Amino acid sequence: SQQGEEDPQALSIQEGENATMNCSYKTSINNLQWYRQNSGRGLVHLILIRSNEREKHSGRLRVTLDTSKKSSSLLITASRAADTASYFCGSSGNTPLVFGKGTRLSVIA
Amino acid sequence: EADIYQTPRYLVIGTGKKITLECSQTMGHDKMYWYQQDPGMELHLIHYSYGVNSTEKGDLSSESTVSRIRTEHFPLTLESARPSHTSQYLCASSEDDRSGQPQHFGDGTRLSIL
Repeated sequence: SQQGEEDPQALSIQEGENATMNCSYKTSINNLQWYRQNSGRGLVHLILIRSNEREKHSGRLRVTLDTSKKSSSLLITASRAADTASYFCGSSGNTPLVFGKGTRLSVIA
Repeated sequence: EADIYQTPRYLVIGTGKKITLECSQTMGHDKMYWYQQDPGMELHLIHYSYGVNSTEKGDLSSESTVSRIRTEHFPLTLESARPSHTSQYLCASSEDDRSGQPQHFGDGTRLSIL
């Protein structure tokens, strides 16, 4: 399987805390994308990082990429209850995106 | 919001029935995808298309089939539904995810086979 892994599988934090989730992938990539999925909905694109980049920021999101370790992390700062969702990374080489298993984030108000 | 639509949202149907899940997008994207998502969240690519008359099987073997006769339409068909087909099916489209363009997802069809 080309599926990557995310950890943790589930994360529960208090509002205002930072949330960090990690993603590993198996093959060489051109880019890696992070998505969010609210319950009962489709995935929504959050942020892209290309293979020649090491870090990207977008609002409260910070993504890092370590191609030597085939891993990425997503940091959500100052979390809010509305950030409660599942988060997936998708990696792409010359194939369609391969998604990891996801991290289920719960932010408690 | 992305303009990609899936119907029906929910379907409960008996074993042996033929089912077609509809997916349409109005963004003019060449690339479209079908994913199967288990209750434990993992997404598996089952079919994709890079344009009209082009279809490919994904990583997860599936008894379903797809067609791509029009750019905007990518239906998925199960000829004879079985309880093992019970799952959520997500459709997506992209300009080109291999070059970093995002995938846009529909809200899925939750399928239950009795």
